[in-house]
Amino acid sequence: AQSVAQPEDQVNVAEGNPLTVKCTYSVSGNPYLFWYVQYPNRGLQFLLKYITGDNLVKGSYGFEAEFNKSQTSFHLKKPSALVSDSALYFCAVRDSPNQGGKLIFGQGTELSVKP
Amino acid sequence: DTEVTQTPKHLVMGMTNKKSLKCEQHMGHRAMYWYKQKAKKPPELMFVYSYEKLSINESVPSRFSPECPNSSLLNLHLHALQPEDSALYLCASSQGSGSGNEQFFGPGTRLTVL
Repeated sequence: AQSVAQPEDQVNVAEGNPLTVKCTYSVSGNPYLFWYVQYPNRGLQFLLKYITGDNLVKGSYGFEAEFNKSQTSFHLKKPSALVSDSALYFCAVRDSPNQGGKLIFGQGTELSVKP
Repeated sequence: DTEVTQTPKHLVMGMTNKKSLKCEQHMGHRAMYWYKQKAKKPPELMFVYSYEKLSINESVPSRFSPECPNSSLLNLHLHALQPEDSALYLCASSQGSGSGNEQFFGPGTRLTVL
């Protein structure tokens, strides 16, 4: 069965430093990978996705993610963190074209960026 | 219009009440979803509608009843809920239900069951 793991419940970063939020996945077919962000008392916002092609995916708000097939990872990165990036981040996966719309979410990583 | 709207933002109801949550999108998306989310946890899928037909029901109790009157609207009818049903209810939509389609989420309805 497909699954997603976010090994860190919380990540703390100083403003201006690079940030990484980790995600590993397990699927039986080709992975379709997504990152979402959730600000307090808000819905989830789509950041970026990997379907196929270039392993480095660029998304919204300066975020990017690197797909690594051999390590089954899809880590989210940003070169310079902002205090406003503080939020809850979810990695998600779908397995194969016939998944019928179901996203499998990781448990979430709370990112805290301090001035 | 590139957003999903949900009403109401907050809802407090007793265990014997009947209420409805409403979701609307005007992006021409043909798949719509209901999720339940507890604090600081990932969303849990409840229902998926594809082309206005229910395609997935994640074994949700019958006190939750979804309805898709047209391609832009999605309702969730609530009846005889339990206190443990208190949560943030999120609606989402996507262009189709295929795996490559990202979902766009509404802001949610914060439900409290007394």
